[in-house]
Amino acid sequence: EDQVTQSPEALRLQEGESSSLNCSYTVSGLRGLFWYRQDPGKGPEFLFTLYSAGEEKEKERLKATLTKKESFLHITAPKPEDSATYLCAVQRDSWGKLQFGAGTQVVVTP
Amino acid sequence: ETGVTQTPRHLVMGMTNKKSLKCEQHLGHNAMYWYKQSAKKPLELMFVYNFKEQTENNSVPSRFSPECPNSSHLFLHLHTLQPEDSALYLCASSQGGRDEQFFGPGTRLTVL
Repeated sequence: EDQVTQSPEALRLQEGESSSLNCSYTVSGLRGLFWYRQDPGKGPEFLFTLYSAGEEKEKERLKATLTKKESFLHITAPKPEDSATYLCAVQRDSWGKLQFGAGTQVVVTP
Repeated sequence: ETGVTQTPRHLVMGMTNKKSLKCEQHLGHNAMYWYKQSAKKPLELMFVYNFKEQTENNSVPSRFSPECPNSSHLFLHLHTLQPEDSALYLCASSQGGRDEQFFGPGTRLTVL
């Protein structure tokens, strides 16, 4: 059975303190791995799609990487506005079906 | 309106009520989705529509009934719900089945 596990469940950072979130997965026929950001009371906001091991993508203070078993979301010098829950999801060959992890709640304090 | 919109944003209903959730996407996408997000649990895919045709029903109870009249609109009809159905219901759309999905703000549903 496919599994997506995110760690840690929660992360508290000081402003400027870089860290990484982990998304480990077991899925046959990975089509893509997606990262989303979700603010309280809102829908998830798309960040990145990674398709193959070794691929990296960056956006402002965020950088996502992918290996054959896991993905990392690196947050460099975070600011309070980076506080959110970060979700990863995997897509198999099945059309349209995303399987989400439980998320990592990140709080960045000034 | 831009992106994906959902109405209502909040809904409180009794177990014997019938209500509907509405989703509209303004992105020109071909696929639409319903997800359920419960506290402390991962998002659960409920239904997938591709060009108005349902391609996925993820073992959802029959008290949830989806309707997709065209590629821009998606409804979720609710009847005789249970308190454990209380959750955030999210609609999403994508250009194709393997592209990134864009989410609406969700409907917070409370079943009394």
